[in-house]
Amino acid sequence: GNSVTQMEGPVTLSEEAFLTINCTYTATGYPSLFWYVQYPGEGLQLLLKATKADDKGSNKGFEATYRKETTSFHLEKGSVQVSDSAVYFCALSFYNAGGTSYGKLTFGQGTILTVHP
Amino acid sequence: NAGVTQTPKFRILKIGQSMTLQCAQDMNHNYMYWYRQDPGMGLKLIYYSVGAGITDKGEVPNGYNVSRSTTEDFPLRLELAAPSQTSVYFCASSDETQYFGPGTRLLVL
Repeated sequence: GNSVTQMEGPVTLSEEAFLTINCTYTATGYPSLFWYVQYPGEGLQLLLKATKADDKGSNKGFEATYRKETTSFHLEKGSVQVSDSAVYFCALSFYNAGGTSYGKLTFGQGTILTVHP
Repeated sequence: NAGVTQTPKFRILKIGQSMTLQCAQDMNHNYMYWYRQDPGMGLKLIYYSVGAGITDKGEVPNGYNVSRSTTEDFPLRLELAAPSQTSVYFCASSDETQYFGPGTRLLVL
């Protein structure tokens, strides 16, 4: 079956440090890949996505590149802020209009990020 | 455009009680989902629906039921609450991307 493995947390950084959160996946075929962010007490928000190999998703200074050869989708940010403190989830789905996958998401376990001033 | 809304935000149930978690979306999405999130864990799919009148089980359906009479609404029913159902429940709807509601925190004592 499909699975997503994320880097173990928690991750603690100082403000302006470089961030990498590793994500690898196992799937039959070529899924769409997502990063979701969950701020304390809130639901999940889509941070970025990529739908095919070599695509780069980006948003709010975060980036991730869909690497088919390494089945990876690592999240990076050059300079983190205190406001980036949250839980980050990597996920995959197969969306095929009229198909049978129905866009169901498979999530990694989440990585807690804490950024100190 | 409210997106995905969920009610209630928080609820305490006694063992054996029943309740319905409400979910609604105003984006005209055919696909809707219910997930549960246990502490320190990712989300697990309970049920999903691909359109009004069509539902199917996800990874952890036991103890839950759903219905989908309209495109907008997708309620989740707990018939006999158990402590193992203490969790945070998220509803989502999607086109090619899933959009999540704010969650319902449920405590079963």
